[in-house]
Amino acid sequence: AQSVTQLDSHVSVSEGTPVLLRCNYSSSYSPSLFWYVQHPNKGLQLLLKYTSAATLVKGINGFEAEFKKSETSFHLTKPSAHMSDAAEYFCVVRDYNNNDMRFGAGTRLTVKP
Amino acid sequence: EADIYQTPRYLVIGTGKKITLECSQTMGHDKMYWYQQDPGMELHLIHYSYGVNSTEKGDLSSESTVSRIRTEHFPLTLESARPSHTSQYLCASSEPRGRDTQYFGPGTRLTVL
Repeated sequence: AQSVTQLDSHVSVSEGTPVLLRCNYSSSYSPSLFWYVQHPNKGLQLLLKYTSAATLVKGINGFEAEFKKSETSFHLTKPSAHMSDAAEYFCVVRDYNNNDMRFGAGTRLTVKP
Repeated sequence: EADIYQTPRYLVIGTGKKITLECSQTMGHDKMYWYQQDPGMELHLIHYSYGVNSTEKGDLSSESTVSRIRTEHFPLTLESARPSHTSQYLCASSEPRGRDTQYFGPGTRLTVL
């Protein structure tokens, strides 16, 4: 069965500095991987997804993530944080053979001025 | 922006009341889901449906029930709410193919006093 681990429950960065949110997964088959963002009092929004095409995936709002099979990782990055990036971020894995999605516990990103 | 709606957005009720959380989508998606999310915790799948007249229980045991009489509508009902039901409930939908993205509603934040 697939599972996902977000290594940090809380990340704090200064505005204009890089963002790194870490995610490791386990999956029996070729996984699909997603990053979702949830702003306060809002629903989940898809940032980006990996589905066995290019290993470096670009998403919305300047975010990107790299699929590294050898490290079973799918870390989310952004070169320069903006105040509006403050939110909770969820890494999600889905096995090729089923449509069930396993969510990580989430990483809360704080951006300081 | 995905067309999936949840009402109410917030609900505060007393113990013992029967409540129904509404979820509707206008994308014609066959598969729909209900997740439960406690603050700072990961999402847990509590119910899903493959289409009309299909309902399945998810990973997390829940005292709630669901129905799927119409493709666009997937309400969740608690016959007798208790304080332990206090949580955020997120509805999602997706097309039935293997690698399709789930689209989320804004969520219902339920508090049972």
